Amino acid sequence: TQLLEQSPQFLSIQEGENLTVYCNSSSVFSSLQWYRQEPGEGPVLLVTVVTGGEVKKLKRLTFQFGDARKDSSLHITAAQPGDTGLYLCAGVGSGGSNYKLTFGKGTLLTVNP
Amino acid sequence: GAVVSQHPSRVICKSGTSVKIECRSLDFQATTMFWYRQFPKQSLMLMATSNEGSKATYEQGVEKDKFLINHASLTLSTLTVTSAHPEDSSFYICSARDLRGLPSWGYTFGSGTRLTVV
Repeated sequence: TQLLEQSPQFLSIQEGENLTVYCNSSSVFSSLQWYRQEPGEGPVLLVTVVTGGEVKKLKRLTFQFGDARKDSSLHITAAQPGDTGLYLCAGVGSGGSNYKLTFGKGTLLTVNP
Repeated sequence: GAVVSQHPSRVICKSGTSVKIECRSLDFQATTMFWYRQFPKQSLMLMATSNEGSKATYEQGVEKDKFLINHASLTLSTLTVTSAHPEDSSFYICSARDLRGLPSWGYTFGSGTRLTVV
């Protein structure tokens, strides 16, 4: 069974601060995705990282995929209240199993004005 | 982009009754759909993988007879919670995999169904 450890589980910061969320596993994933979910809604895909060492930027969000494709991080610069939400990392299995997503436990981010 | 429609968004039912939740891919065919359960402030827990035209594959610990899944067409999967009890109250989310090779790697989620059993 592939597991993803996501940390921190809860994070409360002030507007303007930077933060990093980590996603680690002992397993190799073919790709890793980051989602953001708001209360009462389904998760919305932010990014997919595929290549080991890959870095992707989405405005103030920077995503990295580890060289060994076992870990990833999400860094938010100058956080804003609109960034508040549940951030989920999800690994895509390498072959078989209908490409099930393995989700981390999530990081509940609160950005206070 | 790919859109997945999930209905109803909220449902309240009496204990002992059954509730059906629908998940439709609106602009693409989804041979595989996934059903998740989510508790407040927690992550998504995969319940089962639904394949069009065949039996669903359930995750360990998920009762097949309680959570009936039917994937009768390439655009529709349904989850029926049978003989619902208060402990089945939760947020249920479906996702569909789009095989058209989109850069997003084809996972699109529905907006979820809040089930409350009273």
